[in-house]
Amino acid sequence: QVTLKESGPVLVKPTETLTLTCTVSGFSLSNGRMSVSWIRQPPGKALEWLAHIFSDDQKSYQTSLKSRLTISKDTSKSQVVLTMTNVDPADTATYYCARSLLQFHYAMDVWGQGTTVTVSS
Amino acid sequence: EIVMTQSPATLSVSPGDGATLSCRASQTVSRNLAWYQQKPGQAPRLLIYGASTRASGLPARFSASGSGTRFTLTISSLQSEDFAVYYCQQYDNLPPSWTFGQGTKVEIK
Repeated sequence: QVTLKESGPVLVKPTETLTLTCTVSGFSLSNGRMSVSWIRQPPGKALEWLAHIFSDDQKSYQTSLKSRLTISKDTSKSQVVLTMTNVDPADTATYYCARSLLQFHYAMDVWGQGTTVTVSS
Repeated sequence: EIVMTQSPATLSVSPGDGATLSCRASQTVSRNLAWYQQKPGQAPRLLIYGASTRASGLPARFSASGSGTRFTLTISSLQSEDFAVYYCQQYDNLPPSWTFGQGTKVEIK
């Protein structure tokens, strides 16, 4: 069974750095046909793709947030980590990680339950 | 950056009726288009990938079509569990990026 689970702080202060961890099971982060994205959803708003990491460690970022985001993975720990620097109340959202499959045209077939992050002083 | 535009923003439908949701890309995305369903308090669920392939276990009342820049998700005979928000999403490989539409809320009329 494939699962992804997000973890991280519930509350972060403005200007701080947010670090989120996605722990996966049921597949390997070294599998060339699979990769992982981070997506967020502010309250009442649409989904927003943030970053993606492939099995070969290639990384992609949303253009407008690229300067603040870093995605990395630890294959041995089955974890994908997203860091976001200089957070702002506008970064308050539920953050999801999701698996993408090459054979699904990189659609996201399995999602984590999400972790809610509030940015406030 | 490819922009995905969904219409309408809200669709009011009576149970048993059909619904057609549209998604337009600002430039061609070939068939790298997926549809997701999201219910309140839940993570999105993949419905369609490759523009028209149903995900495993998806009822046949869901169908999708399109290529290039125009895509459609059709739900025939809506059931109570189908009332939700639907998102389209594209994948572009040069450079790799994903974009979601702003969503269509399908509500009970």
